[in-house]
Amino acid sequence: AQSVTQPDIHITVSEGASLELRCNYSYGATPYLFWYVQSPGQGLQLLLKYFSGDTLVQGIKGFEAEFKRSQSSFNLRKPSVHWSDAAEYFCALIASGGSYIPTFGRGTSLIVHP
Amino acid sequence: DADVTQTPRNRITKTGKRIMLECSQTKGHDRMYWYRQDPGLGLRLIYYSFDVKDINKGEISDGYSVSRQAQAKFSLSLESAIPNQTALYFCATSEWTSGGTGELFFGEGSRLTVL
Repeated sequence: AQSVTQPDIHITVSEGASLELRCNYSYGATPYLFWYVQSPGQGLQLLLKYFSGDTLVQGIKGFEAEFKRSQSSFNLRKPSVHWSDAAEYFCALIASGGSYIPTFGRGTSLIVHP
Repeated sequence: DADVTQTPRNRITKTGKRIMLECSQTKGHDRMYWYRQDPGLGLRLIYYSFDVKDINKGEISDGYSVSRQAQAKFSLSLESAIPNQTALYFCATSEWTSGGTGELFFGEGSRLTVL
């Protein structure tokens, strides 16, 4: 069975600093990978996704993520964080064989200091 | 109007009461899901449906039931609510056929408190 691990429960950064949120997965083949963001009081919104091809994917709001097969990772990055980026971030995986049901990590809460 | 609408947005109820959370969508997607969110536990899948006649249990279906009344409607019921069902519940849709990418589209959530 597949699984997703987000090692950091909370991350605190200063506004303007760079950001990297970690996501590791366990799956025997190349999965489909997603990052979602949940702003306070809101539902989840897709930031970006990886299906195949270029391992560096660009998303909305200036975010990018890099798929590294050798490390089973799909880390999310942003070069300069804005206060409005404070939110909960979820990494998700869909196994490329089977019923295509998403599996989510436990989330990372991003706190942005002024 | 939102593509995925959940009602009610907030509900406080008592132990033993029956509760229904409703979800409707205008995306035209075949797949619909109910997730539960608890702090530190992420999103856990309760039930999912591939179409009106195809409903499946997720990882935490005990104590819950669902009904897919139409392609656009998927409701979640708690037959006899208990306090540990206090959580934020999300409905979501996705599409894999017709060029869909598997991206989930979420409602804004239904916060349920069971006293």
